[in-house]
Amino acid sequence: GESVGLHLPTLSVQEGDNSIINCAYSNSASDYFIWYKQESGKGPQFIIDIRSNMDKRQGQRVTVLLNKTVKHLSLQIAATQPGDSAVYFCAENAGGYQKVTFGTGTKLQVIP
Amino acid sequence: NAGVTQTPKFRVLKTGQSMTLLCAQDMNHEYMYWYRQDPGMGLRLIHYSVGEGTTAKGEVPDGYNVSRLKKQNFLLGLESAAPSQTSVYFCASRMGRSYEQYFGPGTRLTVT
Repeated sequence: GESVGLHLPTLSVQEGDNSIINCAYSNSASDYFIWYKQESGKGPQFIIDIRSNMDKRQGQRVTVLLNKTVKHLSLQIAATQPGDSAVYFCAENAGGYQKVTFGTGTKLQVIP
Repeated sequence: NAGVTQTPKFRVLKTGQSMTLLCAQDMNHEYMYWYRQDPGMGLRLIHYSVGEGTTAKGEVPDGYNVSRLKKQNFLLGLESAAPSQTSVYFCASRMGRSYEQYFGPGTRLTVT
């Protein structure tokens, strides 16, 4: 697989527990945020997004929380499964479709 | 519907050699992107295209050239490869009014 997991913070979670992955973003002007999942050897895959006028958005087993006061984003995964093992990273968009900045990512390890 | 495909998957070059990476998408997306991903760093934008026949520089364009002669294809060229270009390269595409990018599986390039 790819070496994208090196030097990344790692979160180890027991199968069935909830996972919380955090992301601090840098630009107070960012108005749109996306969480991506990247499995070993694959390209990033869209999970969920949220606009800056919201503070919470739910999807299937995932919830994204946005705290603009402290420029913090979190991804909550309910009932974590082995298939959730991957690198997760957030992306922020600060005006214009091209100004997307990607975070470095967090590696999620699910313990069976 | 194959989504975004990249050719080749792996390549080893010697310093000074040239090569072209091919990205193809069958979703009729207007926008296409080339990123590089290095350990411990987020995705960094090399070049992008907002439509057939157009290209623009991203965050790290030096040493790379691109062409978008057909809407479905986006080519990334390295004229004279350097060891600093050892990386995993991802292509992505998106529709005009959506922030969601669809990524290819990546090309691992090693320059010795």
